[in-house]
Amino acid sequence: NAGVTQTPKFRILKIGQSMTLQCTQDMNHNYMYWYRQDPGMGLKLIYYSVGAGITDKGEVPNGYNVSRSTTEDFPLRLELAAPSQTSVYFCASGGLGVNEQFFGPGTRLTVL
Amino acid sequence: KNQVEQSPQSLIILEGKNCTLQCNYTVSPFSNLRWYKQDTGRGPVSLTIMTFSENTKSNGRYTATLDADTKQSSLHITASQLSDSASYICVVSARATDSWGKFQFGAGTQVVVTP
Repeated sequence: NAGVTQTPKFRILKIGQSMTLQCTQDMNHNYMYWYRQDPGMGLKLIYYSVGAGITDKGEVPNGYNVSRSTTEDFPLRLELAAPSQTSVYFCASGGLGVNEQFFGPGTRLTVL
Repeated sequence: KNQVEQSPQSLIILEGKNCTLQCNYTVSPFSNLRWYKQDTGRGPVSLTIMTFSENTKSNGRYTATLDADTKQSSLHITASQLSDSASYICVVSARATDSWGKFQFGAGTQVVVTP
């Protein structure tokens, strides 16, 4: 059981570039989440999904997009990267009706 | 205003000593509170989870307490080890119909254990 995996671990983007952060879980969880973590701040929810084909905005969705074509995968798309998107991004998953969240190792993104 | 406030922001303790971290919250209606440990460069990992009716929960050298009346929680680390150096995050879940509103994260307390 690998749990929640994320790729890449690190990435440097130039302003205006695009990229996709990958997230995969092998626990058959319905709920999946994308958070960003800025220095000295709590995690902020970007997008979440309650199941394949269903996604919704969280607290800070601007500049991001997601899709959920399968239970396992929940990629996060950054279009037109901006310096304000420099952060560490965490993907998490959880079972239906359970308040537990399992986190991936994170992706550290720098936009220059 | 953040609904989960943690203190102190950081602390340094000597190996073998005890320490206590604080978490105050305003999240309502309350469902449960958990403490996570986040090692540098890693994702958070759950230490304890407590519901409204639980006052204390232990996980090895970690003991969490909850006072739902005053909306305060603490995490006590006993006989600290170098491996306890990490950020400790308090997360409060609300009973809410929308999934994303359920989890409110504190900013964390950075603990450094020195030899």
